[in-house]
Amino acid sequence: KAGVTQTPRYLIKTRGQQVTLSCSPISGHRSVSWYQQTPGQGLQFLFEYFSETQRNKGNFPGRFSGRQFSNSRSEMNVSTLELGDSALYLCASSLDITYNEQFFGPGTRLTVL
Amino acid sequence: EDKVVQSPLSLVVHEGDTVTLNCSYEVTNFRSLLWYKQEKKAPTFLFMLTSSGIEKKSGRLSSILDKKELFSILNITATQTGDSAVYLCAVEWDSNYQLIWGAGTKLIIKP
Repeated sequence: KAGVTQTPRYLIKTRGQQVTLSCSPISGHRSVSWYQQTPGQGLQFLFEYFSETQRNKGNFPGRFSGRQFSNSRSEMNVSTLELGDSALYLCASSLDITYNEQFFGPGTRLTVL
Repeated sequence: EDKVVQSPLSLVVHEGDTVTLNCSYEVTNFRSLLWYKQEKKAPTFLFMLTSSGIEKKSGRLSSILDKKELFSILNITATQTGDSAVYLCAVEWDSNYQLIWGAGTKLIIKP
């Protein structure tokens, strides 16, 4: 069974640009969560999607958005990039609404110059 | 404010030592506590704890939850260099079906 995949693995952007990251969950998993990880802040929850609906959202500005498609693949978008958005973005999938064992993807390392 | 606090933030021990990592929490409507190991990028799941006093074990790793005192510990016995990693604790709380994460404990095992 294939694991969670994320593309691209590495990305370099400049301030003001926008970026789209993609996450393909484990087959059969309907819940996809996104996290930002920085050395000083640890993992910070961005949002969680289940069956194409955003169920939860963390405390991030509106520049951070996401969506989930009917095949459970998810994308997150960051507009008007700032230097502080440089981080490892992790996505995790889990089976369903009550099963909270999440399987993480390898992450996308975003560097904003 | 809901929070998860891990201690120590970092720890350096020698191979063969036993280590105990701590995770304390204050959340509304606790559901479960999870431990993850993060070596390079993707955290990998270790344990999920929901009931007090029941130890979960996997090889040299074990964990237990105390819901009265609101903490969990992760024990690693006979440590090996491969145990070097950041160990993350997360707590699921009922209201919004979210995980709140601790900052992690960076464990370094010296040969």
